[in-house]
Amino acid sequence: DIQMTQSPSSLSASVGDRVTITCRASQSISSYLNWYQQKPGKAPKLLIYAASSLQSGVPSRFSGSGSGTDFTLTISSLQPEDFATYYCQQSYSTPSITFGQGTRLEIK
Amino acid sequence: EVQLVESGGGLVQPGGSLRLSCAASGFTVSSNYMSWVRQAPGKGLEWVSVIYSGGSTYYADSVKGRFTISRDNSKNTLYLQMNSLRAEDTAVYYCARAVGFNRDYWGQGTLVTVSS
Repeated sequence: DIQMTQSPSSLSASVGDRVTITCRASQSISSYLNWYQQKPGKAPKLLIYAASSLQSGVPSRFSGSGSGTDFTLTISSLQPEDFATYYCQQSYSTPSITFGQGTRLEIK
Repeated sequence: EVQLVESGGGLVQPGGSLRLSCAASGFTVSSNYMSWVRQAPGKGLEWVSVIYSGGSTYYADSVKGRFTISRDNSKNTLYLQMNSLRAEDTAVYYCARAVGFNRDYWGQGTLVTVSS
């Protein structure tokens, strides 16, 4: 199985900050990497697919980059509604997809 | 409007069975690959099972031989039959369309609690 490791596991930041979350795969997954946002009690919401493509309706302050084993999710200017948990997910080994352990983004 | 509505969760004893349903509207279940993903309380996301448009099915090792994914095209509904349930199967179960693609869509989830 492909293991996905996110860092950090939690992060405190302020509104307006630029934030970067990283995700590392245990083997190369090309660009088969997606990013989700999840708020408490809600279903995950797709933000970025194929490493860098912005899902329809997602604000442009979210961006993704990377390929192979190392990926990043960047929020250019944090907004109050961005405080949530973020997950990376690989679809290289479809149908057996795997998620990272999550990064909890909290208000400083 | 696309909608996925899960139902069938609840409290079940270890070793028991439960069938989850996911009623879809706004699109055709049989034309999409549909997945079940679960999340244990306070934990991360775990893929459980998928059924492709052609009917092929796949399972996580943790549920293989105990869970069965299926669909009823006439009802436009996805199912997850869960047998021999264990405490570690306790989770919110989400059904989802096309996970990780730009047609990605998730239901609101249904809670399954396995406890005596």
